Amino acid sequence: SQKIEQNSEALNIQEGKTATLTCNYTNYSPAYLQWYRQDPGRGPVFLLLIRENEKEKRKERLKVTFDTTLKQSLFHITASQPADSATYLCALSLTTDSWGKLQFGAGTQVVVTP
Amino acid sequence: DVKVTQSSRYLVKRTGEKVFLECVQDMDHENMFWYRQDPGLGLRLIYFSYDVKMKEKGDIPEGYSVSREKKERFSLILESASTNQTSMYLCASSSSGSRDTQYFGPGTRLTVL
Repeated sequence: SQKIEQNSEALNIQEGKTATLTCNYTNYSPAYLQWYRQDPGRGPVFLLLIRENEKEKRKERLKVTFDTTLKQSLFHITASQPADSATYLCALSLTTDSWGKLQFGAGTQVVVTP
Repeated sequence: DVKVTQSSRYLVKRTGEKVFLECVQDMDHENMFWYRQDPGLGLRLIYFSYDVKMKEKGDIPEGYSVSREKKERFSLILESASTNQTSMYLCASSSSGSRDTQYFGPGTRLTVL
């Protein structure tokens, strides 16, 4: 069966450290992998997109890697700040899909303490 | 900036009521989506639409219907609300050819008593 797995346990991290989140998937062939941020009671907000033929993408303090052999994406927040505290969702855009559907993971909560 | 708005942030309804949730986007996006989000289950797709009057079932369409009469507006209808439909409902839109990046509304927290 198809699955997208993200750590269900919250990641507690000290300000200034690097937070690393994992997204693993099975039985998908994604064209793109996206990461979203969701604050409590709000809708997700798009952060980064990486294509299947890209290894790494960066945006300010964020870095995403994509390994289609391992079927895994890593999401890094460097020099983390309390304002980075949120839930982070990965989402797959499928090569065989159309109309822009995404398959979302359940998300990992990040808590950055001062 | 893309803006997606939803008709209500919080809604309380009684079992058996017909419930309408409305979503409007202002960026002329072709695709629109309705999700529900429950703790531990993530976002689950209920219905989506890729054009006016076109709709497709998502992963959990049972108990729901949708309407898209205008490009900017996508409505979710609960024909007869039940307590197991208590959830956070999120609407999203995307542009065809945009590599599927979705823009979400603020969500509607629906409670069915």
